[in-house]
Amino acid sequence: QVQLLESGPGLVRPSETLSLTCTVSRGSMRDYYWTWIRQPPGKGLEWVGYMYTRGSTTYNPSLKSRVTISVDTSKNQVSLNLRSVTAADTAVYYCARGRGGSPSEHWFDPWGQGTLVIVSS
Amino acid sequence: QSVLTQPPSVSGTPGQTVTISCSGSSSNIGGHTVHWYQQLPGTAPRLLMYTGGQRPSGVPDRFAGSKSVTSASLAISGLRSEDESDFYCAAWDDSLNAWVFGGGTKLTVL
Repeated sequence: QVQLLESGPGLVRPSETLSLTCTVSRGSMRDYYWTWIRQPPGKGLEWVGYMYTRGSTTYNPSLKSRVTISVDTSKNQVSLNLRSVTAADTAVYYCARGRGGSPSEHWFDPWGQGTLVIVSS
Repeated sequence: QSVLTQPPSVSGTPGQTVTISCSGSSSNIGGHTVHWYQQLPGTAPRLLMYTGGQRPSGVPDRFAGSKSVTSASLAISGLRSEDESDFYCAAWDDSLNAWVFGGGTKLTVL
């Protein structure tokens, strides 16, 4: 069973860049939509964006100017960079594998355990 | 305000059937499949239902999904205490060019 594990700093200062890594084990990275989803404390889920392993990316329009997602298949890793963070970016960040073939029909399975990132000075 | 609208909470007693609704529009549910995710307390979400009504292995057939025009529903029959969790619907939105989630529904088993 493929497993996803997020890692990165738990505390980021306002205006700096949030950088997270998702390590994929026990499975191939080919032909999937590698996705980041976040959840502010006590709130619902928000899709951040994805990168398809063949190179295309799609981001949440509300975050598009600040976010970059990349995939390194040689390291079995998915990365998230979110620039110029504010307190509103405080959330648990989940990595998920999108599967199902179509950019607009795939589903997220599995999910990583998530990592909490707090934006504070 | 979420693009997909779910009731904040539903409740039922063991053995009952409860239904969770997910209301959208022609730019999301009306033109795309709906997926459902379950989030047990303190854990990451997991896939519960995909493409409207398909269950991943390990998900009991007490869970059933359906869709009608611009709305979707998740029915849980034979309610059990371990079903107590948050449920989220999700669909692609053509107007936003983004995946959107419902606000989530907290299920309480009385």
